[in-house]
Amino acid sequence: AQKVTQAQTEISVVEKEDVTLDCVYETRDTTYYLFWYKQPPSGELVFLIRRNSFDEQNEISGRYSWNFQKSTSSFNFTITASQVVDSAVYFCALSEFMDTGRRALTFGSGTRLQVQP
Amino acid sequence: DTGVSQDPRHKITKRGQNVTFRCDPISEHNRLYWYRQTLGQGPEFLTYFQNEAQLEKSRLLSDRFSAERPKGSFSTLEIQRTEQGDSAMYLCASSPRQGTAGANVLTFGAGSRLTVL
Repeated sequence: AQKVTQAQTEISVVEKEDVTLDCVYETRDTTYYLFWYKQPPSGELVFLIRRNSFDEQNEISGRYSWNFQKSTSSFNFTITASQVVDSAVYFCALSEFMDTGRRALTFGSGTRLQVQP
Repeated sequence: DTGVSQDPRHKITKRGQNVTFRCDPISEHNRLYWYRQTLGQGPEFLTYFQNEAQLEKSRLLSDRFSAERPKGSFSTLEIQRTEQGDSAMYLCASSPRQGTAGANVLTFGAGSRLTVL
């Protein structure tokens, strides 16, 4: 069974600080996808990034960057120069392909990020 | 298209009552999912539809829960004889058919929060 661990339950930073959210996963599959979703106070899960297991290149999108390391089964997320609007719960998720055609998405328990002004 | 819509956003009910939630997915998405999220946890999979066919049900979906997607468009999730343990956020998500762009990315609605007194 696959598993996603987000050991940091809550992080508080001051605006403009950099912050890294950790994600460690377990799977027996050789082909899988990793995701990060953001859940602001409004409740809607917002897709941030998808990375497949064959692509270990790091990715940067504006102030966001992701570090995928297959050797340590980690997919960490860094926010540079954090802003108050980044305050939310962030979920890491792992996807494996099921026979029914469904991508089974297993979520971690989330990391609540609070950015203080 | 405005994304995945869920109704109602909030429902307060007394134990033993029945409740029904509705989800309208993105119109061109043929795959629809229901998840449940309790406080401080990540979403957990409940059930999956491909078009009108319900292809998977989680063991979390007890016999008091029933989901339908009669015409392959909107879906309903009904909970009969609600219990206090059913209090949670019920999230709906949809994704396009396999082989299309973004097929592995779930787009979530804002959720329906259920409180059972």
